[in-house]
Amino acid sequence: GAVVSQHPSWVICKSGTSVKIECRSLDFQATTMFWYRQFPKQSLMLMATSNEGSKATYEQGVEKDKFLINHASLTLSTLTVTSAHPEDSSFYICSAAGGARAYEQYFGPGTRLTVT
Amino acid sequence: DAKTTQPPSMDCAEGRAANLPCNHSTISGNEYVYWYRQIHSQGPQYIIHGLKNNETNEMASLIITEDRKSSTLILPHATLRDTAVYYCIVRVAGGGADGLTFGKGTHLIIQP
Repeated sequence: GAVVSQHPSWVICKSGTSVKIECRSLDFQATTMFWYRQFPKQSLMLMATSNEGSKATYEQGVEKDKFLINHASLTLSTLTVTSAHPEDSSFYICSAAGGARAYEQYFGPGTRLTVT
Repeated sequence: DAKTTQPPSMDCAEGRAANLPCNHSTISGNEYVYWYRQIHSQGPQYIIHGLKNNETNEMASLIITEDRKSSTLILPHATLRDTAVYYCIVRVAGGGADGLTFGKGTHLIIQP
C-alpha cells in the first residue's frame, strides 16, 4: 500500500506555544489530505480536509485559527496547533488521497501531542 | 453516509477464524462497505471493501448479505497481531476526496 509518514511521532510542548506536525505522502501525489484527532478511548474525528493549493475546509466545531493547515505541495501538508492548551493533547492522524490512489485514503502513523 | 452498528468487543482464539459483524440497514444503493482497523497507537489500516458481491484479499474476506443491510468481515486465521479496533464504514466509492466518519468499532482481542 501507499506510504504516508508523519513527523514528529510524538511531541511535548508547553501551554501557550505552537507546534507543527508534518504529513508526507512518500510514493504518490496527494491532491487531498485529511487531518483527524483521536482522544483516549475514543474514535477518530475528522478535523479538516485540505486540497493542494487551496484553503482547508474545517469541520464544525474545529477552530480554523487555532489549527492552521497548509497543503502547499502534492506531498506535504502541515498542521500547526497554535497557542496549545492541555485540552489539545491528543493523537493527531493524517491521511492522503490522490493520483492513482484517488479512490482511497492512506493513513499516517499518527503524532502524539502532549501539552503541559 | 449511512450509519453502522458493531459490537463493542469480541474475543477470538489464535488460529481460529474471526468473524466481525456490522449492521448498515440504511445503506444506499451507491454506498460501499469499507473495513479499516487500528492497532493501538497507530494510524488506521485499510482492509477491504465491497458493494454487493463477496470480496477476498490477502488480509480478509468480506461477506455482504443479499439485502446489503449487514456484512461480516472474516479474518481466516487470526493471529495475536490482529488484535485491534475494527471499523466498518459505509461510504460512496471514489470518495477519496471525502473524510471518513468513524464509529466506535469493534475491539477484537485475539487470545493465545
